[in-house]
Amino acid sequence: AQSVTQLGSHVSVSEGALVLLRCNYSSSVPPYLFWYVQYPNQGLQLLLKYTSAATLVKGINGFEAEFKKSETSFHLTKPSAHMSDAAEYFCAVSDSGGYQKVTFGTGTKLQVIP
Amino acid sequence: DTAVSQTPKYLVTQMGNDKSIKCEQNLGHDTMYWYKQDSKKFLKIMFSYNNKELIINETVPNRFSPKSPDKAHLNLHINSLELGDSAVYFCASSQVSGGNEKLFFGSGTQLSVL
Repeated sequence: AQSVTQLGSHVSVSEGALVLLRCNYSSSVPPYLFWYVQYPNQGLQLLLKYTSAATLVKGINGFEAEFKKSETSFHLTKPSAHMSDAAEYFCAVSDSGGYQKVTFGTGTKLQVIP
Repeated sequence: DTAVSQTPKYLVTQMGNDKSIKCEQNLGHDTMYWYKQDSKKFLKIMFSYNNKELIINETVPNRFSPKSPDKAHLNLHINSLELGDSAVYFCASSQVSGGNEKLFFGSGTQLSVL
């Protein structure tokens, strides 16, 4: 069985500060890991995807995530928060690479304070 | 052009009614999905269709009946609506052919059952 746990349902950062959103996963096989962003009243958009190539994955909008097998983590970071980053972020895991069996976390709402 | 479009965006209805949500994708993808996002933002897959054939049905009550007239459309019909059906329903599509595939989401349908 696969699962993801996102630590912290709400995270607040100041504009220009480091963004760190935490995600830990559980998978019986080497996982595929994803981060999605959901802006208000919109569907989810893929930020980045880990597929067992490089452990540091760069995504859109300056986000990146590092796969750490020893910690079973896939935390999302951005060096400097922008007001437009305020949204809900979802970590997800799949043990097959395809999307038929993607399991999503419960989301972390990022607030950016001016 | 909208890649995955679903209608209506908002749906308010009484308990016991029957309603449908429509979804269309213009990406030429083979696979389409319905996800349910509850009030706690938990996003869970309901159904997956590949080339008009059902491939995933995740313990969804049989009041929910997806219909795929062609591979570009996956509609969701719900009979005898219950209060617990209130949620945001997301349609999505993907091309399951390996490589750099992505899951594209619609903007969601917010269903409120009164």
